[in-house]
Amino acid sequence: DIQMTQSPSIVSASVGDRVTITCRASQSISSWLAWYQQKPGKAPKLLIYKASSLENGVPSRFSGSGSGTEFTLTISSLQPDDFATYYCQQCSGSSRTFGQGTKVETK
Amino acid sequence: EVQLVESGGGLVKPGGSLRLSCAVSGFTFSSYEMNWVRQAPGKGLEWLAYVSTGGTIYVAESVKGRFTISRDNAENSLNLQMDNLRADDSGVYYCAREMWASDYWGQGTLVTVSS
Repeated sequence: DIQMTQSPSIVSASVGDRVTITCRASQSISSWLAWYQQKPGKAPKLLIYKASSLENGVPSRFSGSGSGTEFTLTISSLQPDDFATYYCQQCSGSSRTFGQGTKVETK
Repeated sequence: EVQLVESGGGLVKPGGSLRLSCAVSGFTFSSYEMNWVRQAPGKGLEWLAYVSTGGTIYVAESVKGRFTISRDNAENSLNLQMDNLRADDSGVYYCAREMWASDYWGQGTLVTVSS
């Protein structure tokens, strides 16, 4: 199975900060990478698919980049509603592995 | 409006079985790939199983041989048969529609495996 390694596990940031989260795949997944946001007690929400495509309705401060094995989620200017946990997921081949998650908390 | 509603969760003893269902509406179910994902209390997301529109099935190694995914296009329903349950199978189980990624999710159903 393809393994996904997300870093960091926790980000301490303030409103207005630029936040970057990285996800590494154990083998090439081309651009088959998605990013989700999850808040406590809620289902995950899709933010980015195919590494860099913004899901409908998601604010443009969210962006994704990368291909192959290295991917990045960037929040250009952190807003109060963005404090949450973020997960990457590979959608390649015969599995759909998630990264372990990155919690964005207030500094 | 796209809706996915899971059911079938509950309390079960170790070694027991449960069958989860996901009733969908608001889209043409037969045209979409589907997934089951779970989340143990306080932990991250774990992908469990996938079924394609044509019936191709993938299952995570962690549950292979114990969990079975199936779909009923006539009933607009996705199912997860879970056998030989263990304490570490406890958590919230989500069904999710896949279009490039999981774009719509249910609200989840809680499974507790305990004696």
